[in-house]
Amino acid sequence: DAKTTQPTSMDCAEGRAANLPCNHSTISGNEYVYWYRQIHSQGPQYIIHGLKNNETNEMASLIITEDRKSSTLILPHATLRDTAVYYCIVRDKYNFNKFYFGSGTKLNVKP
Amino acid sequence: ETGVTQTPRHLVMGMTNKKSLKCEQHLGHNAMYWYKQSAKKPLELMFVYNFKEQTENNSVPSRFSPECPNSSHLFLHLHTLQPEDSALYLCASSPSGRSSNYGYTFGSGTRLTVV
Repeated sequence: DAKTTQPTSMDCAEGRAANLPCNHSTISGNEYVYWYRQIHSQGPQYIIHGLKNNETNEMASLIITEDRKSSTLILPHATLRDTAVYYCIVRDKYNFNKFYFGSGTKLNVKP
Repeated sequence: ETGVTQTPRHLVMGMTNKKSLKCEQHLGHNAMYWYKQSAKKPLELMFVYNFKEQTENNSVPSRFSPECPNSSHLFLHLHTLQPEDSALYLCASSPSGRSSNYGYTFGSGTRLTVV
């Protein structure tokens, strides 16, 4: 599996953009990058995913570098309710039914 | 509500008890999963079912026994657990298939405490 590396924690001021980085330097050509988040003691929630192009939905934007070795999740206007652990996951190419979760980034949105 | 329902939300059991966790989804998904999340640890994949057949057992001790009677229901039967088995147990579902486009939908989890 392509491993991902994320910072342990980040702070963000309420109303500002939160930019969460992820390194996945061993990603292979057909593997997607997924982002999930987990608010304390709840199940992870899907945010967004992408392959090569940048993606945007109502929750966030995903920027993938041209070499696909890293990506950034952007929450354009962070709120206190966005405080959570954010997981960057690369989908296993040969075992398509598995998502492996790392330690993620704890985002603290502060007033 | 995500469409994946787990019951009970909280469970306290003794080490000699037998209990079961239930997961139900009506999203039309054919793959279901059990994950375990211990305190301050990443989620650990335990079992994978595709079309009611177990396709993955991630070296889980036999005191955890999964059951998938149909594509909408998944159980985790528990017996003679240890205090270190206390954790948040999460169920997820997804469409089954080789497309890399499918994500998982998670339930809210069962918080299990073994005393």
